[in-house]
Amino acid sequence: GQQVMQIPQYQHVQEGEDFTTYCNSSTTLSNIQWYKQRPGGHPVFLIQLVKSGEVKKQKRLTFQFGEAKKNSSLHITATQTTDVGTYFCAGLRSNDYKLSFGAGTTVTVRA
Amino acid sequence: NAGVTQTPKFQVLKTGQSMTLQCAQDMNHEYMSWYRQDPGMGLRLIHYSVGAGITDQGEVPNGYNVSRSTTEDFPLRLLSAAPSQTSVYFCASSYQEGEKLFFGSGTQLSVL
Repeated sequence: GQQVMQIPQYQHVQEGEDFTTYCNSSTTLSNIQWYKQRPGGHPVFLIQLVKSGEVKKQKRLTFQFGEAKKNSSLHITATQTTDVGTYFCAGLRSNDYKLSFGAGTTVTVRA
Repeated sequence: NAGVTQTPKFQVLKTGQSMTLQCAQDMNHEYMSWYRQDPGMGLRLIHYSVGAGITDQGEVPNGYNVSRSTTEDFPLRLLSAAPSQTSVYFCASSYQEGEKLFFGSGTQLSVL
């Protein structure tokens, strides 16, 4: 079964507001990857975090990897209509080196 | 580079029919994989390959076969389609297992 839990499943955001999506793993991860899928499209790689406590930024997106390497978050500031889509985390399990995807957070934006 | 090329984009099958989804990559990636995407379930791994001649089962392999005779190609075969296989299928590849994935554009499959 799914070993990476992602919440919330849906996020409805007013344009200009911030939001955060979270991923939690039952096992330690070697790395965590984030992907974005636009409506009707395919997942596209955004970023990979490897180190404990790592924080990376891409413009209005901030990605964090937890100290225990079991959780991660994606924070988007000043949401724009271009942020619409589904965001997936994918954790690379340290015990068997398999990639496990979260169920995704689907984001809609109210103008 | 074309990246990951996946065909067809859409397919409708009747229960019991067979078909092959094609996937090719031109990035010389060792790792290739097939996922299915269903609402609320995220991406679930069907089969994967870490190199030519090597394949292995993922999380939901039943009803699907794969082969990897070349580095470039990784076809997915449905031997006897069932309505439960109605889904969106993605092929994905990476330089090596565990690294960032490049996805194809997807196949929307309906089994009636």
